[in-house]
Amino acid sequence: GAGVSQSPSNKVTEKGKDVELRCDPISGHTALYWYRQSLGQGLEFLIYFQGNSAPDKSGLPSDRFSAERTGGSVSTLTIQRTQQEDSAVYLCASSLASTSYSPYEQYFGPGTRLTVT
Amino acid sequence: LAKTTQPISMDSYEGQEVNITCSHNNIATNDYITWYQQFPSQGPRFIIQGYKTKVTNEVASLFIPADRKSSTLSLPRVSLSDTAVYYCLVAFNSGNTPLVFGKGTRLSVIA
Repeated sequence: GAGVSQSPSNKVTEKGKDVELRCDPISGHTALYWYRQSLGQGLEFLIYFQGNSAPDKSGLPSDRFSAERTGGSVSTLTIQRTQQEDSAVYLCASSLASTSYSPYEQYFGPGTRLTVT
Repeated sequence: LAKTTQPISMDSYEGQEVNITCSHNNIATNDYITWYQQFPSQGPRFIIQGYKTKVTNEVASLFIPADRKSSTLSLPRVSLSDTAVYYCLVAFNSGNTPLVFGKGTRLSVIA
């Protein structure tokens, strides 16, 4: 079946502009995660959605970052007033029903490479 | 602050067994340990997950001592295609960040 898809694959934007990154999880997966990976660095957790529960936003680095998940499926990560330090690969993952303390296997998308000039 | 620690890099020759250790000193009773593999320009891929003692699947083994403050990923007889970054993930039941990846270990397999 189809895996996790993300769009766009690459995004170049000017400093100060807003960007939206999209994630389509695997059908039936109720948990969805966003991560950020800077060049040569590890994965930084951003936000976690589980079903209809309130998302865990504890990893969002500033109030310029927000995310939503409509209908328990597609998710959009929005970065307002982008800064150069926002340049990174943004990865989305989905999994079956999970608690944050006993994570099911996460299936990752290919990522969106964001470059802020 | 909860964190995981892994070696930054490791080198190995083809055919050897490779062991990568992750330290997770603040792991809680209900937390699991998961390892992922990442190739360049791809998202990470699940390798193995465990809670205690030993878990084995078709590609790797995971050893977790009784105190669970560390875990070791074991890759038997590595090949060139195992060259990748390996991440240790622990779901911490404390602190502000529930999902903590290690910084990854870059494994280079040499012919």
